[in-house]
Amino acid sequence: GQQVMQIPQYQHVQEGEDFTTYCNSSTTLSNIQWYKQRPGGHPVFLIQLVKSGEVKKQKRLTFQFGEAKKNSSLHITATQTTDVGTYFCAGWERNFNKFYFGSGTKLNVKP
Amino acid sequence: EAGVAQSPRYKIIEKRQSVAFWCNPISGHATLYWYQQILGQGPKLLIQFQNNGVVDDSQLPKDRFSAERLKGVDSTLKIQPAKLEDSAVYLCASSRGGTGELFFGEGSRLTVL
Repeated sequence: GQQVMQIPQYQHVQEGEDFTTYCNSSTTLSNIQWYKQRPGGHPVFLIQLVKSGEVKKQKRLTFQFGEAKKNSSLHITATQTTDVGTYFCAGWERNFNKFYFGSGTKLNVKP
Repeated sequence: EAGVAQSPRYKIIEKRQSVAFWCNPISGHATLYWYQQILGQGPKLLIQFQNNGVVDDSQLPKDRFSAERLKGVDSTLKIQPAKLEDSAVYLCASSRGGTGELFFGEGSRLTVL
């Protein structure tokens, strides 16, 4: 069946270091979304990528969608303590008409 | 605009008891989702409604879980009887439709003892 894998599961960084999380799908996705969930909070939408090879930036965050539309990445430059949380990707699988969430990458930033 | 409302925020029950969660989506959002999020895992879709019709309930344990969205607006998720492994946060989300952004509620945290 459809799977969306995310790595790493955890990442501990020193404030100011960079961070990257990767999302891989077993099938081609129509689009991919990224969400951030703060500790004790609910997922909050960050961005959606639709086109093959698409790259989008939001301040220190850079999002990429792979050429084959099976993988995606989120890169944070110069992390801050406010970046702490779990980052989830969610891929829309056209054949099943639904989003599949990855297992998330939990980011901890040490000041 | 007001966000997705959920209640109760927290619920503690004993196994074999029943519980119900309520969700009111953002006004005008046709699609409503119920997700189960077990600690340390990503949200798992339980059921998806388009207006008052079910689009996908393939991962809903129908022997104990039920959900309805009778008037195409708010929705109720029920568990009866609860098992220990049902302990999780139940997230409701809504969207304007299709593949758009999901807006999540604060969630209902269920503990089954």
